[in-house]
Amino acid sequence: AQSVTQLGSHVSVSEGALVLLRCNYSSSVPPYLFWYVQYPNQGLQLLLKYTSAATLVKGINGFEAEFKKSETSFHLTKPSAHMSDAAEYFCAVSSTGTASKLTFGTGTRLQVTL
Amino acid sequence: DAMVIQNPRYQVTQFGKPVTLSCSQTLNHNVMYWYQQKSSQAPKLLFHYYDKDFNNEADTPDNFQSRRPNTSFCFLDIRSPGLGDAAMYLCATSRVAGDSPLHFGNGTRLTVT
Repeated sequence: AQSVTQLGSHVSVSEGALVLLRCNYSSSVPPYLFWYVQYPNQGLQLLLKYTSAATLVKGINGFEAEFKKSETSFHLTKPSAHMSDAAEYFCAVSSTGTASKLTFGTGTRLQVTL
Repeated sequence: DAMVIQNPRYQVTQFGKPVTLSCSQTLNHNVMYWYQQKSSQAPKLLFHYYDKDFNNEADTPDNFQSRRPNTSFCFLDIRSPGLGDAAMYLCATSRVAGDSPLHFGNGTRLTVT
């Protein structure tokens, strides 16, 4: 069985501040890990993915995440928050197989204030 | 642009009245998924198709059915919607392989009155 835990259902940062959204995973096999963003009343958009290549993964919109096996973590960061980053962020885990059956975390709502 | 399109964006149905949600893709992906997302919750996988092979999640109620007549289209049928089925329904596609990212449509928000 595989799962992800997102710590903090709500995170608030000031514009220009560091964004850190936490995700810890549990998987009995080497996982594939993803971060998705969801804007209100829209579907999910892929930010980045880890598939056992480089442990530091760069994504769209200036986001990046680092896979740390020793900590079973895959935290999402962005050096400087922008108002347009306000959204819901989901961490997800998948395993090897013929379909990407993602298991999502419960999500973190990011609020960006002036 | 290649994409996943869901129609309609908003659907209102009456308690117990069958409803069908549709999804089409131009990505030519083998796998299509239906997720249910209730307010402020994570998406929950209902089922997926690998080509024509249907794979139901163990806890998906029998009230939910799906059809995939061809590679491009997939339908979600709710036979007798209850108030608890009000949610956002997300269609997604991917290539074959566990590391392939999912491409999501914008969803259909279902209201049950």
